[in-house]
Amino acid sequence: QVQLVQSGAEVKKPGASVKVSCKASGYTFTSYYIHWVRQAPGQGLEWVGIINPSGGSTSYAQKFQGRVTMTRDTSTNTLYMELSSLRSEDTAVYYCGRGQGIGAAGTLPDYWGQGTLVTVSS
Amino acid sequence: QSILTQPPSASGTPGQRVTISCSGSSSNIEINYVYWYQQLPGTAPKLLISKSSQRPSGVPDRFSGSKSGTSASLAISGLRSEDEADYYCAAWDDSLSGWVFGGGTKLTVL
Repeated sequence: QVQLVQSGAEVKKPGASVKVSCKASGYTFTSYYIHWVRQAPGQGLEWVGIINPSGGSTSYAQKFQGRVTMTRDTSTNTLYMELSSLRSEDTAVYYCGRGQGIGAAGTLPDYWGQGTLVTVSS
Repeated sequence: QSILTQPPSASGTPGQRVTISCSGSSSNIEINYVYWYQQLPGTAPKLLISKSSQRPSGVPDRFSGSKSGTSASLAISGLRSEDEADYYCAAWDDSLSGWVFGGGTKLTVL
């Protein structure tokens, strides 16, 4: 069965960086793109970006460009999202999710990880 | 403020049919597919509708999606207590070159 298992909760200070992992199993790793979506406490969903595990190409939401980096490790079927220069507004649950394709021709996730809470506090 | 506009709340009684709207623009809903998610407290979103009106395997046919112009709707018929959740619409936005979500609608089953 398709599974996306994310790393545990993180607490970071303002200005620091955080790296969240998402380990995929139950399907062909390189056949599906991975989205990252976040949700601040009590708020709605916000798209962060997407990575193609096959070649590693990425596309980020304008809001996060310059601060986010998405990578993958094909040897362990694991995806990573690193967010730098953290501020309190980055406190949120970060989800990885499996989709197909990129852009308007792509799809949003059908399977999701369990979410990783990132707390930014001094 | 979200690019896609949803009513913050909706309600209905068991067995009733409810509709949740999602308003967008010519750069998102009018020209691209709409997706709908259901989210229960403390859990990841669950895909209800893809490509504006397609139900993934396992989603009851009580849930249906439609789109017209710059707006989309999610309809839930035969409302059940377990449908009480937050619902989100989403679409690709050509102007932003990114996916955008609605602010979410909290559905209460009275």
